[in-house]
Amino acid sequence: AQSVTQPDIHITVSEGASLELRCNYSYGATPYLFWYVQSPGQGLQLLLKYFSGDTLVQGIKGFEAEFKRSQSSFNLRKPSVHWSDAAEYFCAVGAKMGSSNTGKLIFGQGTTLQVKP
Amino acid sequence: GAGVSQTPSNKVTEKGKYVELRCDPISGHTALYWYRQSLGQGPEFLIYFQGTGAADDSGLPNDRFFAVRPEGSVSTLKIQRTERGDSAVYLCASSLIGGNSPLHFGNGTRLTVT
Repeated sequence: AQSVTQPDIHITVSEGASLELRCNYSYGATPYLFWYVQSPGQGLQLLLKYFSGDTLVQGIKGFEAEFKRSQSSFNLRKPSVHWSDAAEYFCAVGAKMGSSNTGKLIFGQGTTLQVKP
Repeated sequence: GAGVSQTPSNKVTEKGKYVELRCDPISGHTALYWYRQSLGQGPEFLIYFQGTGAADDSGLPNDRFFAVRPEGSVSTLKIQRTERGDSAVYLCASSLIGGNSPLHFGNGTRLTVT
C-alpha cells in the first residue's frame, strides 16, 4: 500500500540556519511527490512537486527537494530559514491512474517547524 | 483571482445532527477533491469529482457521508447523524483538469460535533 512517513513531528531551527525535512514514501512505481506548507488557519500551499526528470526540484520561497529512488526519499531543504517559514509541512505522494496523476494525494503526518530568533 | 472558497469556516453541531459543508472551486476547474484533516494528522482523501460525477469515493468513511456536485462547479459534502469522531477540518481542493495539474486548497471548514 502507498504510504508516506515524515519521521520528525517537530523541528526547531535558528533563523538563518539550514533546514532539511525528511520524507520517505512507499509506492510500487515511480511516484508523483509533493511538498505542501500549511500556516495556522490557512489552506495548504504547494511548495514544489516531482513528476519526472531532474531529481532536484526547485520550489517557491527558496525551497528545494531531491528525489532519491534508492532511498525512497524526497527530503525538503532550504539553505537559510526565515522566521516566516514557521509552519507545518506535509509531504505527499500522488496516486496514479495509468500514466497520469489522479490528484488523489496520500499525505504524511506533517512536520511542525519552529524558527528561533 | 479568487481561490477555493469554503463555507462556513467554522461549524459547531450537536451529535446526531445533519450538516452540509460547501465548496466553491476556482472557476474553470473541472476536478474537485474533499479531504479531512484531524488534529495532528495530515489530510486524508475522501472523494474526487471530475465534472459532475464522483470519479473516486473510496475515502468516504461510511454511508453517513455523501457529496454532490450537480452542475460541475460547487460541491456540497453532507454528513448525516454526526458523531463526535467526525470533528475535523474538512478541506476542499480543485484543479484545472485533474491529472498533473496542481491542487489548490481552500482554507477548510472546521467541524466540531459536541
